[in-house]
Amino acid sequence: AAGVIQSPRHLIKEKRETATLKCYPIPRHDTVYWYQQGPGQDPQFLISFYEKMQSDKGSIPDRFSAQQFSDYHSELNMSSLELGDSALYFCASSLGLAGGYQETQYFGPGTRLLVL
Amino acid sequence: DQQVKQNSPSLSVQEGRISILNCDYTNSMFDYFLWYKKYPAEGPTFLISISSIKDKNEDGRFTVFLNKSAKHLSLHIVPSQPGDSAVYFCAASAGGGGNKLTFGTGTQLKVEL
Repeated sequence: AAGVIQSPRHLIKEKRETATLKCYPIPRHDTVYWYQQGPGQDPQFLISFYEKMQSDKGSIPDRFSAQQFSDYHSELNMSSLELGDSALYFCASSLGLAGGYQETQYFGPGTRLLVL
Repeated sequence: DQQVKQNSPSLSVQEGRISILNCDYTNSMFDYFLWYKKYPAEGPTFLISISSIKDKNEDGRFTVFLNKSAKHLSLHIVPSQPGDSAVYFCAASAGGGGNKLTFGTGTQLKVEL
């Protein structure tokens, strides 16, 4: 079965540079979530999109922005990178919010970002 | 404020025995709970979930129990296999479908031969 695809898998950037992470959800999934996992920490929710609209926002820095496109893929744009942004970034997808019932989030393999 | 807690950072179990991983939560608005398994440098893999309207859900070797009054859930793995060795995260969400997940701190399970 098709899974969530993230690219790139690894990324090395210098401080103050920008980075763009991409996420391709499971086919027919219309909701995308972004999480950040620092070293030795649990994943922290950043932001989510449903049908190309932002549906929820967590602890995402103002230097970061994200969007979901018409084909439901999503991109996380990170500017003015700081050393503390070094982390694993996970994307997850699920079926939509319609119906008001819970849908399981399925995670991609993650992008490991290292800021030097 | 850690709303989902896994108080055991590690657990060691012999192959064939039962593994019991515990999770406590504080937010009474949580109504959907999930367990994920995670290997290093990989994304979390969904194992099993439970809605707050149930107190038990079973899928093969995995069973999740929910005690709403105690705000506690547990994952039972029977029998445990060496391939089960990984970090297990408990996660919770609130409200109607598709809401953000709040994760616990994880439990490293090691299944020994």
